[in-house]
Amino acid sequence: DQQVKQNSPSLSVQEGRISILNCDYTNSMFDYFLWYKKYPAEGPTFLISISSIKDKNEDGRFTVFLNKSAKHLSLHIVPSQPGDSAVYFCAARIQGAQKLVFGQGTRLTINP
Amino acid sequence: DTAVSQTPKYLVTQMGNDKSIKCEQNLGHDTMYWYKQDSKKFLKIMFSYNNKELIINETVPNRFSPKSPDKAHLNLHINSLELGDSAVYFCASSQAGGAAQPQHFGDGTRLSIL
Repeated sequence: DQQVKQNSPSLSVQEGRISILNCDYTNSMFDYFLWYKKYPAEGPTFLISISSIKDKNEDGRFTVFLNKSAKHLSLHIVPSQPGDSAVYFCAARIQGAQKLVFGQGTRLTINP
Repeated sequence: DTAVSQTPKYLVTQMGNDKSIKCEQNLGHDTMYWYKQDSKKFLKIMFSYNNKELIINETVPNRFSPKSPDKAHLNLHINSLELGDSAVYFCASSQAGGAAQPQHFGDGTRLSIL
C-alpha cells in the first residue's frame, strides 16, 4: 500500500537541460509535500517543499508543482548541473502528524 | 559541526546478537526519528520522539527499542538480530511546528546481519 510512488527509478538528462522528476500519491490527507536529495553514503537533504494549498513553489533552479486533482507533483530543475546527480525522494506529510511517507526515489544522472 | 550524527556508520554482526546505534543532533530540535531503508530503497519511519516522549511507533517488532535520554539523543537498541534487519538505518530530527518543518538526516548506519 505505497501511498507515495515514484515510478521512474532513474532519469538521465543532459547538462543545461531541464530535469523533471515525478511523484504520485494516493492519500488525500497529505497536507505537505517535500523533496529530498541524497548522495551515496549520505543522508537525505531537504531541497524544497510545498503546501497542499499551493500549486507551485520556486527556489532558485528548483520548482515544485502540485496538481491536487491528479494527486501528482513534480520537481523541475533548470538548468541541470552535474552536481544535481543524486537520488531524489518525494515525501508527503499526513495532516496533523509529523510523520513523512517517502517514495522509493529516482536516480538522476546529469550528463556533461 | 555535524548537525545529526550517527554511530557507527557500518555494523556487521551475527544473527541473534544485540546491538545499538546512537544518534545525536546539535540543531536544538525537539523531535527525533528513526527510519529504515530496506533493500527496495523505501525509507520507512520506525519511531519518533518529541522531547523524550514516544509519539510514533510504526508497528515495529518489540525487538527494537528506542531510548531518548534527552531531546538531543535518540538511540536504537535491537535485540536478537535477524537477517531481515539488514538495512540502512537513518536518524533524523526536526523542530515541531504547525508548518512542515524539514527533517534533517544523519548519514545512516548500514547494518549487515551474517
